[in-house]
Amino acid sequence: DGGITQSPKYLFRKEGQNVTLSCEQNLNHDAMYWYRQDPGQGLRLIYYSQIVNDFQKGDIAEGYSVSREKKESFPLTVTSAQKNPTAFYLCASSSQKNTGELFFGEGSRLTVL
Amino acid sequence: GIQVEQSPPDLILQEGANSTLRCNFSDSVNNLQWFHQNPWGQLINLFYIPSGTKQNGRLSATTVATERYSLLYISSSQTTDSGVYFCAVNDNNNDMRFGAGTRLTVKP
Repeated sequence: DGGITQSPKYLFRKEGQNVTLSCEQNLNHDAMYWYRQDPGQGLRLIYYSQIVNDFQKGDIAEGYSVSREKKESFPLTVTSAQKNPTAFYLCASSSQKNTGELFFGEGSRLTVL
Repeated sequence: GIQVEQSPPDLILQEGANSTLRCNFSDSVNNLQWFHQNPWGQLINLFYIPSGTKQNGRLSATTVATERYSLLYISSSQTTDSGVYFCAVNDNNNDMRFGAGTRLTVKP
């Protein structure tokens, strides 16, 4: 089945550690996105990529990094510089950035102890 | 940037009741979507509706782009409709901006 796969679903990390969240899509979409959701809030854009080897910062990119070496994959690294990393992280993709319908993975819940 | 406001913030219904959720946005858009976030956190696509009216079973949506609002109708609500409903629109940079959501609780 076509879709977006995020892993892991749940992750615990100690303060000061970097952690990488995986996002893979087999929809042949050009654009991919990472959003952050805090309890009771909407979604905020961290990073997006419109094409392989290119990505742009969203509203809250500080403390995060991404790569886009393959069309299917858009991993997100939450670095130790991120001051409040505990959140629900959602990966999405669309056929194109300006008018494409957005599809989401199941999310990864990160808790920093 | 573009502002997206959803109302009401919370809604409690008895099973079988109908409801209307509203999304207002502050600028013209060419992309608007409605999502349902289930209790496990996954966002399910409901409608891609930058303009016009669409229906899918008990759900329908209408977007009046010239007046900058969209409505989501839920008829004969079921307990499985519970969750948070989000509206999202694209801004001038074509980034999708999300409203704060409407939390719907359907009681049996």
